Amino acid sequence: KAGVTQTPRYLIKTRGQQVTLSCSPISGHRSVSWYQQTPGQGLQFLFEYFSETQRNKGNFPGRFSGRQFSNSRSEMNVSTLELGDSALYLCASSLARVETQYFGPGTRLLVL
Amino acid sequence: AQTVTQSQPEMSVQEAETVTLSCTYDTSENNYYLFWYKQPPSRQMILVIRQEAYKQQNATENRFSVNFQKAAKSFSLKISDSQLGDTAMYFCAFMRTNTGNQFYFGTGTSLTVIP
Repeated sequence: KAGVTQTPRYLIKTRGQQVTLSCSPISGHRSVSWYQQTPGQGLQFLFEYFSETQRNKGNFPGRFSGRQFSNSRSEMNVSTLELGDSALYLCASSLARVETQYFGPGTRLLVL
Repeated sequence: AQTVTQSQPEMSVQEAETVTLSCTYDTSENNYYLFWYKQPPSRQMILVIRQEAYKQQNATENRFSVNFQKAAKSFSLKISDSQLGDTAMYFCAFMRTNTGNQFYFGTGTSLTVIP
């Protein structure tokens, strides 16, 4: 079974732009969660989607948004990019809510 | 709020030796899951081991085992017969059972296995 895939793997953007990241979960998995990983703040939870509905949201500004499609694929959008948004963005999928999460390779975003 | 503390930023171990990574957490919940994940350099995060809080028996996966002390809120990872491929950042993670798939991560321990 294929693992979690994320596209693109690397992105370079400038301040003020917006970006969309994509995550395809493991086949059959219905929950997708997003995390931001930075050297200073570590791993922080962004949000979780389950059956196309946002179930949980972390403490991030409204510039960070997401959605999930009927095939469980998820996208994350960051608008009005700031330098501090430079990070590795990790997507994780699980079969159900409250279950082991399996991580993708991440999208490394650099904001200049 | 849930917090997870990993007090050892860096550790090293000789190949074939045993090493223990520490993790403590703070929660008022009674039901939760605990995990250890490893993140090798420039590679993706993979699950090492998982422990359900309601289980008294410590989880074991081949060379990896945990010492789960619920009253002390401690969850340490023991790696036996360390191998070069164990070199990675190790993260301890906490998940509540009543709020879905939201991990609270520790800051990680960078483990280096020395040949």
